[in-house]
This record gives sequence, C-alpha cells and structure tokens, in this order.
Amino acid sequence: GAVVSQHPSWVICKSGTSVKIECRSLDFQATTMFWYRQFPKQSLMLMATSNEGSKATYEQGVEKDKFLINHASLTLSTLTVTSAHPEDSSFYICSARWGGYNTEAFFGQGTRLTVV
Amino acid sequence: DAKTTQPPSMDCAEGRAANLPCNHSTISGNEYVYWYRQIHSQGPQYIIHGLKNNETNEMASLIITEDRKSSTLILPHATLRDTAVYYCIVRVGGFTGGSEKLVFGKGTKLTVNP
Repeated sequence: GAVVSQHPSWVICKSGTSVKIECRSLDFQATTMFWYRQFPKQSLMLMATSNEGSKATYEQGVEKDKFLINHASLTLSTLTVTSAHPEDSSFYICSARWGGYNTEAFFGQGTRLTVV
Repeated sequence: DAKTTQPPSMDCAEGRAANLPCNHSTISGNEYVYWYRQIHSQGPQYIIHGLKNNETNEMASLIITEDRKSSTLILPHATLRDTAVYYCIVRVGGFTGGSEKLVFGKGTKLTVNP
C-alpha cells in the first residue's frame, strides 16, 4: 500500500509550549488528510479533515485555535498543538487519501505526545 | 458516530481461520464497508473494503451478506502477528470525493493464541 510518514514518532514537551507534527504522503498526492487522536485503551477519535489548499474542517468539540492544521501541499499536512497541557498528551495519527469516494485511506505510524 | 457493531474481543488458534463479524444494519446503498486493523501503538493498517460483492486480497477475504446489513472479515490462516484490534467502518460523508470521513468504533480485539 501507499506510504504515509509522520514525524516525529514521539515527542516530549513542556507545558505551555507548542508542538508541530508533520504528516507526509511519500508516494502519492493526498487530496485529503485526516487527523486523529487516540487515548490509551480507546479508539481513534477524528479531530479534523483537511483538503489541500483549504481550511480544515474540525469535528465538534475540537478547538481549532488549539489544534492548528495546515495542508499547504498535496504531500504535507501539519498539526500544531499550541500551548500544550498535560491533558493533550495522546497518540496523534494522520491519514491520507487521494482521489474520491472509493479510495482507501492510509495511515501514518502515529506520534506519541507527552506534555510534562 | 460509527454505524457498526462488533464484538469487543475474540480468540483464535494460530493456523486456523479467524472470522470477525460486523453488523451495519443502517448502511446506505452506496456506502462501502472498510476494514482496518491496529497493532499496539501503531497507526491503523488498511485490510480490505467492499460494496456488495465478496472481496479477496492477499491479506483477507470480505464476505458481505446479500442485504448488506452485516459482513465478515476472514483471515484464512491466522498467525501471532495478526493479533490486533480490527475495525469495521462504514464510509460516511459526501459522494463527490475529498472529505469523506472514516469514523472508528471500538473494534474487535483479536488475540491469536499459539
């Protein structure tokens, strides 16, 4: 399958600082990228959907000013967690898809964020 | 919210077939059924998807009932590396491409035993 790469794989940051996570589609152009968050022993929760060149669409309850998403090119999307707090510690996963309705989405390996 | 129901856990003996059921009784006529799995602390891995016909690839087979209200993912010869959480997802959203979402339910934790 297609390759989606996230960087970093894990990051530890101090409370109050901002952290940027990158998501790249390595061998295809991703028209749509998705960002998920996963807490321990829970399922993936969709945070937002972004189309290249457009503003992200956030799910209900997700603060768009806290979780900044940029999808500036067809191969790169970034998620910035601003003013991070310990409760933002989680596993963040991106997903990318090309094309339309019947195309599968491929996932990155995830980024483990720990805020201390 | 996800529109699927899966058993929370299943066990399977190594080398035997693993049959994972999924109910999606409210599925619409043009919604697809997708299966992903997630091995601990990794991103989900795509397995297979289908609309109404049975599908098979190198990883698994997908059997969809004629009324499309349920499906079964079959791993023909389960190995220890198949231990994971398996998610059955019905694709939600628009039909013109781009922003359709994959919404995950709780999935089935499959444990393959030696």
